[in-house]
Formats: sequence, C-alpha cells, structure tokens
Amino acid sequence: QQPVQSPQAVILREGEDAVINCSSSKALYSVHWYRQKHGEAPVFLMILLKGGEQKGHDKISASFNEKKQQSSLYLTASQLSYSGTYFCGTEYSTLGRLYFGRGTQLTVWP
Amino acid sequence: KAGVTQTPRYLIKTRGQQVTLSCSPISGHRSVSWYQQTPGQGLQFLFEYFSETQRNKGNFPGRFSGRQFSNSRSEMNVSTLELGDSALYLCASSFLGESNQPQHFGDGTRLSIL
Repeated sequence: QQPVQSPQAVILREGEDAVINCSSSKALYSVHWYRQKHGEAPVFLMILLKGGEQKGHDKISASFNEKKQQSSLYLTASQLSYSGTYFCGTEYSTLGRLYFGRGTQLTVWP
Repeated sequence: KAGVTQTPRYLIKTRGQQVTLSCSPISGHRSVSWYQQTPGQGLQFLFEYFSETQRNKGNFPGRFSGRQFSNSRSEMNVSTLELGDSALYLCASSFLGESNQPQHFGDGTRLSIL
C-alpha cells in the first residue's frame, strides 16, 4: 500500500518549476505532503482530501485526482529553500495510518 | 507552542541490548505515531497510539513495542537489538489522528547498533 513517488530526484535552477507525483493502486482518502531537509524533521506542507481539490501554499500547490488515485505537488519559480526531500503520505480511511512514499529528492541550484 | 520533543537525540547500543525512546507530543495532541526512517526504505510506520491505546500497527516484529501515558507522552521500546535496527526513529503527533489533521514530527532519535 506504499504509494509510488516520481521522479526519485530532481535538479533545478532557481526560478524553474517542478512537479512531483504520488500514485496509489488503492482508493485514497487523503494525501499528505511533507518536506524534509537533511538532518531535520519532516515538515508538514498540506493535506488534500478526496474530492479533487487543489490547495496552494505560497508558490507550492497540490492537486488530488480521485479518478487516477494520484496527487501531484507543483513547485513554481523554485527557490533555494525548496531543496529537500519531499514525501507524500497516503491514507485509505478516516482514521487510517499514513503510508509514505520513498521520497523525491529536490535540489535547487543558484 | 512547543513542538514535538524526542529524547535522546542519539543512542549507540550493541546487538542484543534493548532501548527505550521517548516522545512528548505537542500540548493538546492525543495521537502519537512512530516511524522508522532508513535510506533504503524511507519512512516506515511502526504504530499509532491514541488515548493510551494502540490504534494502528505496522509490519514490524514483536521486538518493537510502545505505550502511551495519560498525558499523551509515548515511549517506544526495542528489545534484542539487531544491526538492521540502526535508523532514525521519528515520532509525530496530531490532535486526534484523523485524516484531515497534519502530523507534526519531532527531530528524531538516531539509533546506531554496533
């Protein structure tokens, strides 16, 4: 039930855009997105509940495609501070546990 | 508001020993989840506690156990340590553990087994 994240790694220049995908083979109830910098705790970014809503957080937004059981995280005009590993966590019920993907390592160069 | 506090930050143990890790959640949070993080496997769910009861459990052997106290603080115990238990152990708290609530992670305990 672990979701599949793609790509595994992304290298960007400052100002470029990136998309990280999170796919599940099972019907999703919610998707959580977190970012973890090296040596630090994962930090919560946003939650998307089933219903296909899109959320935004500064220049980082995400969508949830219920039909495809997939969520995508969009990073626009990337900044150096966006570097880190992005994890999606999926839930399959209201009080379910989070299953995390293996992460996408994002590196932004000046 | 204080964040999630995990102690100790670092631990070095030898095979066969046992270890206890502690997690103090954000004040008011009643759900505490534990994860094992390794480079190869990513974040693996161990268990979740809510109101002193284990509500969810991951696929780890019985050597991994936990408990939660009435003040929501949680401990995780690993007995008969193996080399493969070397990892970063993270705990995360949320208000009620429901799917529309974020989990807030502590800085983790890095466990090294010699």
